[in-house]
Amino acid sequence: KNEVEQSPQNLTAQEGEFITINCSYSVGISALHWLQQHPGGGIVSLFMLSSGKKKHGRLIATINIQEKHSSLHITASHPRDSAVYICAVGGSQGNLIFGKGTKLSVKP
Amino acid sequence: DSGVTQTPKHLITATGQRVTLRCSPRSGDLSVYWYQQSLDQGLQFLIQYYNGEERAKGNILERFSAQQFPDLHSELNLSSLELGDSALYFCASSVVALPDTQYFGPGTRLTVL
Repeated sequence: KNEVEQSPQNLTAQEGEFITINCSYSVGISALHWLQQHPGGGIVSLFMLSSGKKKHGRLIATINIQEKHSSLHITASHPRDSAVYICAVGGSQGNLIFGKGTKLSVKP
Repeated sequence: DSGVTQTPKHLITATGQRVTLRCSPRSGDLSVYWYQQSLDQGLQFLIQYYNGEERAKGNILERFSAQQFPDLHSELNLSSLELGDSALYFCASSVVALPDTQYFGPGTRLTVL
């Protein structure tokens, strides 16, 4: 079993839909990161969470430490949101353990 | 543009060869991380340096080594290359050792033939 599990693996949505991507982890963590990887390969760090909820524009990330679960929500999705979204958990030594990613495709 | 630069962008080489990947962190960032992204394994943490010292080690093979220089740029050396080493290699940087945000470089795509 992977230490970081994401679901779904693939997601296709229509423009404007509300999207949720889930991440569960089995290790103790200091923080959880959500990353976005564009089709060209570039990676952008979206959020770092250690508790609660963070919002940036149409993106919202939540974490439940007791349940070892995090969600990334995208409101009013747009084709430019099409990317791979990767959950990563931060260990106490600074290393990151990554999920396999969720490939999101938003159709116009 | 994250401010992290990586060279070269693409590298094609043969099995058994040795290559060096270079990373320049954002101005002021002291910590550099190296990651490998292959099709079958996904993203994996290789190694972290902080202000010239190795700070954390992940799934880095013995054939691979890295260092961070006094000017804070870092190099990842891959030797005795195998077909399975073909991957995207990312460098990321942050101000501190346990960062709020890591800034990723554009990556180096290594193809081993």
